[in-house]
Amino acid sequence: LAKTTQPISMDSYEGQEVNITCSHNNIATNDYITWYQQFPSQGPRFIIQGYKTKVTNEVASLFIPADRKSSTLSLPRVSLSDTAVYYCLSLDSNYQLIWGAGTKLIIKP
Amino acid sequence: NAGVTQTPKFRVLKTGQSMTLLCAQDMNHEYMYWYRQDPGMGLRLIHYSVGEGTTAKGEVPDGYNVSRLKKQNFLLGLESAAPSQTSVYFCASSSGGGDTQYFGPGTRLTVL
Repeated sequence: LAKTTQPISMDSYEGQEVNITCSHNNIATNDYITWYQQFPSQGPRFIIQGYKTKVTNEVASLFIPADRKSSTLSLPRVSLSDTAVYYCLSLDSNYQLIWGAGTKLIIKP
Repeated sequence: NAGVTQTPKFRVLKTGQSMTLLCAQDMNHEYMYWYRQDPGMGLRLIHYSVGEGTTAKGEVPDGYNVSRLKKQNFLLGLESAAPSQTSVYFCASSSGGGDTQYFGPGTRLTVL
């Protein structure tokens, strides 16, 4: 049974770099890994997506090793407004959606 | 573009009542999804659709029905509401199965 595992919660301080890792077992060999951010009382919103190696956009970086059994979301120089729940999403070998349970990130001043 | 919209935003039902939640998207997406999110928990897929006229079961389909008569709309029905269906319901759409999902603002449903 495919499963994605991520830490339940993390704390950090403003200005620090935060890395959140998902472990993906039984991941599809040729589809994207996507990360979403969710604030209270809102729907999740897209942060970044990648297939392998490293992807960077204006808000985050995503590192995916060659075996694709994990992915790491990196948030550079976090601020209080980055306090949210972060989810990873992938497809399993049957191309079914597999969501992580979410990581609650709390940024302290 | 409005993106993904959901109607209604809030609803209170009594046990046994029925209702329909409407999701609409204006991005010409093929895929649409219905999720539920219980307090403090993650997303659970109820049903999804890979195109007009198609529907498929997700992780927690029992007690729900869906229809996709038009490409832009995806309806979620509760035939006989139960307190266990108290949750926030999110609709999403995407171009393909592994593509970025765009979420609506959610419908907060309480079943008494």
